[in-house]
Order: sequence, then structure tokens, then C-alpha cells
Amino acid sequence: DAGVTQTPRHEVAEKGQTIILKCEPVSGHNDLFWYRQTKIQGLELLSYFRSKSLMEDGGAFKDRFKAEMLNSSFSTLKIQPTEPKDSAVYLCASRNWGYQDTQYFGPGTRLLVL
Amino acid sequence: GDKVKQSPSALSLQEGTNSALRCNFSIAATTVQWFLQNPRGSLMNLFYLVPGTKENGRLKSAFDSKESYSTLHIRDAQLEDSGTYFCAAESQGGRALIFGTGTTVSVSP
Repeated sequence: DAGVTQTPRHEVAEKGQTIILKCEPVSGHNDLFWYRQTKIQGLELLSYFRSKSLMEDGGAFKDRFKAEMLNSSFSTLKIQPTEPKDSAVYLCASRNWGYQDTQYFGPGTRLLVL
Repeated sequence: GDKVKQSPSALSLQEGTNSALRCNFSIAATTVQWFLQNPRGSLMNLFYLVPGTKENGRLKSAFDSKESYSTLHIRDAQLEDSGTYFCAAESQGGRALIFGTGTTVSVSP
């Protein structure tokens, strides 16, 4: 079984650009999460979907961050416009809700905004 | 605030020794998960716990929901145990995990 995949693995953007990060959850999983990880703030939730419906949208990230799940096997996270403080690792995770199972994380996208 | 507090923040171990990591919760945690993030950044699942204990090889974890804490014990530490260990809690009615700040473990020969 393929795990969670994320693309790209690395992204460099200029301030003010729009970038789109992609995630494919584990096949059959119905929960999908986007997190951001920085040294200072640690792991912070950005968005949480269950069966493609948005369940939770991290309050601090609403204005420039938009996550979407157009189908059960693909999600995107758009950052528009990017700012240098957005430099971080963006992690996607999925799980099979209802089966008392852990979240499975993708390898992450390392974003650098100049 | 620190809903999930991990201690210690860093730990240096010699190969072959034992140690314990701890998480204290200020939320009513219903489940706890432990992860290990390796130097490349990949987060690997170690344990998913409802109240009780689990063991996997040299690792053992316990979750006490009444006392609001969880522990992760490392027995006979090996070099490959190095990395950052995160605990994360889920609360009743909560849907996403709340992560601790991590414990960075360095195992040396």
C-alpha cells in the first residue's frame, strides 16, 4: 500500500507568489489533515477534512491559506500571497476514522519564501 | 497555551541505557499517539493508545487518562533511536491532534 504522498518535496517562492502544495492520502482513508511545522511554533493544524468536508480550519491561517479536497484521493493547500514567515515544512496526514487508528504522515514539503 | 507538555525537551543517552519521556495534558485527552521524527523529517508512528499500555520491541508506552499523562520508555537505547519524539492527544469532541513540543533524543556510542 502506498503511504501518504506529497509534492513537491521542496519549493522556493518569492514573496507575493501563489504556491500550491499537493497531497494524496492513503487509499481508503477518510480523514485528511494539513499541518505546518516550524522550530518556534512546532506542529500546528491548518485544515482537517472528513470525507471531503472541511471540519476544522486553523483560525490563524484563514486569510492566505486555503485547503481543498476535490475528491477523496487528492487535496491541495494554496498559499496566496506567500510571505517569508510562511517558510516551514508543510505536512499532510491521513487516517481511517472510526478504526481507532493513528494518523499517517507524508514526507512533507519544505517551503522557503524569499 | 501548553495543552500538551512534553519533558524533557532534550535527552542524551548512551547506547544500551534506558530512559523515559513524558507528556502531561491539560485537556481531557481520550487517545494519545507517539511519533518519531527522524533527521530527514519523516514522522513515523510509534503508538496509538487508548488508556492502557502497549509495547513494541524496546519501546513501551502508557496512557493514564485519569491522571492526564502518558509516558514512552526506551529500553537498551540504540543509535537509530535518535530523533525527535512527539506525543499528540485527541480530546472528546476534538477532531484533530494537539501536538507536544517534542523531545530530541541523541544516542551516542
